[in-house]
Amino acid sequence: DIQMTQSPSSLSASVGDRVDLSCRASQNIARYLNWYQQKPGKAPKLLIYAASNLQSGVPSRFSGSGSGTHFTLTISSLQAEDFATYYCQQGLMTLSFGGGTKVE
Amino acid sequence: QVQLQESGPRLVKPPQTLSLTCTVSGASISTDSHYWNWIRQPAGKGLEWIGRIYTSGKTDYNPSLKSRVTMSIDTSNNEFSLRLTSVTAADTAVYYCARVTEDSTGWYESLDFWGQGILVTVSS
Repeated sequence: DIQMTQSPSSLSASVGDRVDLSCRASQNIARYLNWYQQKPGKAPKLLIYAASNLQSGVPSRFSGSGSGTHFTLTISSLQAEDFATYYCQQGLMTLSFGGGTKVE
Repeated sequence: QVQLQESGPRLVKPPQTLSLTCTVSGASISTDSHYWNWIRQPAGKGLEWIGRIYTSGKTDYNPSLKSRVTMSIDTSNNEFSLRLTSVTAADTAVYYCARVTEDSTGWYESLDFWGQGILVTVSS
């Protein structure tokens, strides 16, 4: 099984901040990595697929980078609506998620 | 617009069987470029992938749940289902159904549409 580890588990930020969220895979997953945003009481929403591709309709302040075992989700200028929990998910084999990073 | 809707009992007694159905609208469930998933989330915790089913009926399950999970698909009614046997309080969670789609290259897949989720409580 491929284990996904996100860090930090939570972080405190302010509107306008640049935020970098980390996700590591226990083995090489190439670019089979997606990012999701989840707000309380809502289903997750796809932000980034294949490590760096912006899903249609997602603001350009979100970007993804990385390949292999280390990936980063960057929010270039945090907006009020971006306070949420973010999950990475690997899709190389059967799916698995990281534990999430809460941006507060 | 593609929509997924979970349905089923919201309270299940241990050690009975949890049964949920996901009804898909706005798209056919019978496409080779998609497959269909169940994911759950205990209160205050992260997401756990339960398993997936293809139109062909082929399934893959999370190894940690494999002995208790069965998924099925009903293409005539555009829905798919989850059965989880021998439930305990640890199975209390919000259960989501979600669609995986391929990107334009056909290489990469992501969960692009999700149901709203259904809270299932396991309690006697």
